[in-house]
Amino acid sequence: AQSVTQPDIHITVSEGASLELRCNYSYGATPYLFWYVQSPGQGLQLLLKYFSGDTLVQGIKGFEAEFKRSQSSFNLRKPSVHWSDAAEYFCAALPGAPGGYQKVTFGTGTKLQVIP
Amino acid sequence: DAGVTQSPTHLIKTRGQHVTLRCSPISGHKSVSWYQQVLGQGPQFIFQYYEKEERGRGNFPDRFSARQFPNYSSELNVNALLLGDSALYLCASSLLDRNEQFFGPGTRLTVL
Repeated sequence: AQSVTQPDIHITVSEGASLELRCNYSYGATPYLFWYVQSPGQGLQLLLKYFSGDTLVQGIKGFEAEFKRSQSSFNLRKPSVHWSDAAEYFCAALPGAPGGYQKVTFGTGTKLQVIP
Repeated sequence: DAGVTQSPTHLIKTRGQHVTLRCSPISGHKSVSWYQQVLGQGPQFIFQYYEKEERGRGNFPDRFSARQFPNYSSELNVNALLLGDSALYLCASSLLDRNEQFFGPGTRLTVL
């Protein structure tokens, strides 16, 4: 079955420290991959996406993610975390080609806490 | 440009009642998808609509239904509400030839 796994439910980092959030996917073929951020009571904001090509993807707010086919992973990173980055982060995947069925499968999320 | 809008923002219902949630996509987007997000979990796909036709359906009971109007706005209907239907309901719009969905702020449904 197609699935997205985020192994870390909760992560705490100090402001200014680096961050890496893990994501693994299980699909027959490489899906399109996304990272979203959700602040409390808010909808989802797209941070970045990977469709093909360069395996290091740059996103908004200083985030980047690296696609590793051999590890079926798409980990999110940020060199220096700001207090405003505290939120919940979701990894998501979408199989298929453009124009098709657009069922996005989300991971269970990683809640990021930033301490001063 | 306006993003995806949803109404109402909050809703309280009792078990057995019916609810209708509304979504307006980004201008030019013809595809609308609905997701249910239970507290502490990731969003779960409910429906995708394109050009007023259902493109896909997730693993939800028939109590859940939706439709899309000629202006591409959409309604999600849930009948015979259960306590377990309490969740944040998210709407997302997209261009069908792009695989990027834009989410609205959601409707928080509480079933008592």
